Amino acid sequence: KAGVTQTPRYLIKTRGQQVTLSCSPISGHRSVSWYQQTPGQGLQFLFEYFSETQRNKGNFPGRFSGRQFSNSRSEMNVSTLELGDSALYLCASSYGPGRANGYTFGSGTRLTVV
Amino acid sequence: ILNVEQSPQSLHVQEGDSTNFTCSFPSSNFYALHWYRWETAKSPEALFVMTLNGDEKKKGRISATLNTKEGYSYLYIKGSQPEDSATYLCAFITGAGSYQLTFGKGTKLSVIP
Repeated sequence: KAGVTQTPRYLIKTRGQQVTLSCSPISGHRSVSWYQQTPGQGLQFLFEYFSETQRNKGNFPGRFSGRQFSNSRSEMNVSTLELGDSALYLCASSYGPGRANGYTFGSGTRLTVV
Repeated sequence: ILNVEQSPQSLHVQEGDSTNFTCSFPSSNFYALHWYRWETAKSPEALFVMTLNGDEKKKGRISATLNTKEGYSYLYIKGSQPEDSATYLCAFITGAGSYQLTFGKGTKLSVIP
């Protein structure tokens, strides 16, 4: 079956611009979560959506937002980009609630802000 | 703020050696612990989802144990192979209803042929 698809794979933006990243989960998965990885840092949780509702949000400024559509696809938006937003952004999908449910990750979007 | 610690930060072993890493997490309000393997230029791959104290999981030469009362999990690799070279991440989920993975910074394993 198809995996988690993230687009685009690479992106270069200028400081002050905004960007939208897309994540298509595995068919049947209703939960999508987003993570940021910067050099020297572990994966930092951004937010998680289930059935179009944001259930959890990490400790990131309001410039970071997201949404989920009825087909479970999710988008993440970052407005007024800063140099420090340069990172690898990963999304992960899961069936949803359930202790035994693991997450399947996409290959990520590498964002560079110049 | 939840703290998930992994040790060691990096490890170099010879092919054929067995090795293990540690993941420490808060012992209160445990829900689940995940282990992932992340190879360079690939996406993190789920190894184990552990939910019960005393859990032991095995996948080929890799196994993991869980102690929720004291807040740690061990990952073991028996007879390391060069293809085991990767960063191994653990991630903690606290309390039912919170599906946020809190990751450790990982253990980077290099297996020398």
